[in-house]
Amino acid sequence: DTAVSQTPKYLVTQMGNDKSIKCEQNLGHDTMYWYKQDSKKFLKIMFSYNNKELIINETVPNRFSPKSPDKAHLNLHINSLELGDSAVYFCASSYSNSPLHFGNGTRLTVT
Amino acid sequence: GQQVMQIPQYQHVQEGEDFTTYCNSSTTLSNIQWYKQRPGGHPVFLIQLVKSGEVKKQKRLTFQFGEAKKNSSLHITATQTTDVGTYFCAGQEGGATNKLIFGTGTLLAVQP
Repeated sequence: DTAVSQTPKYLVTQMGNDKSIKCEQNLGHDTMYWYKQDSKKFLKIMFSYNNKELIINETVPNRFSPKSPDKAHLNLHINSLELGDSAVYFCASSYSNSPLHFGNGTRLTVT
Repeated sequence: GQQVMQIPQYQHVQEGEDFTTYCNSSTTLSNIQWYKQRPGGHPVFLIQLVKSGEVKKQKRLTFQFGEAKKNSSLHITATQTTDVGTYFCAGQEGGATNKLIFGTGTLLAVQP
């Protein structure tokens, strides 16, 4: 199936831990994104990569570090998790100016 | 920075009633996109509007882009229970990054 797939779907962890979320797209898109959706459903862009280069880096704590080993993958590593990091994290991809295709999301719960 | 606001935040309608959500940007947009997110799901692209004053229709959905390219609306005629979800507009800035800023969303509940 052609899609944007991210893993894991659910992630429950304790404060202070480090965790990673992986994202892969097989749509041939050149741009990938991470969005955070909070409990009020606000969707905020965190990062964007175009052909493995970081092009958008919003005001996000340094504990969040994206990595794009190739243009089909964009992973998100989070250090020293905090309660406020609990949210749904969506990966998405697109051609440069085209609409976004979203993954199914990773629901992160920090206890 | 750029902000995109939507009203209302929440709308509850009886099945068969019409529904409209409005989207306003603090800056002029190069284009506007609309997405639908079903409960527990992920945002799914519906449509993109590019031209000033553009109107597009998809079955019972009508999308409009304002003349000044700063506002947009989505109108659903005769809602059905399958229309339930959160509708987001997303405005794209011009420039090098073409950042897509999502609106605050409107949650539509449809009572059968």
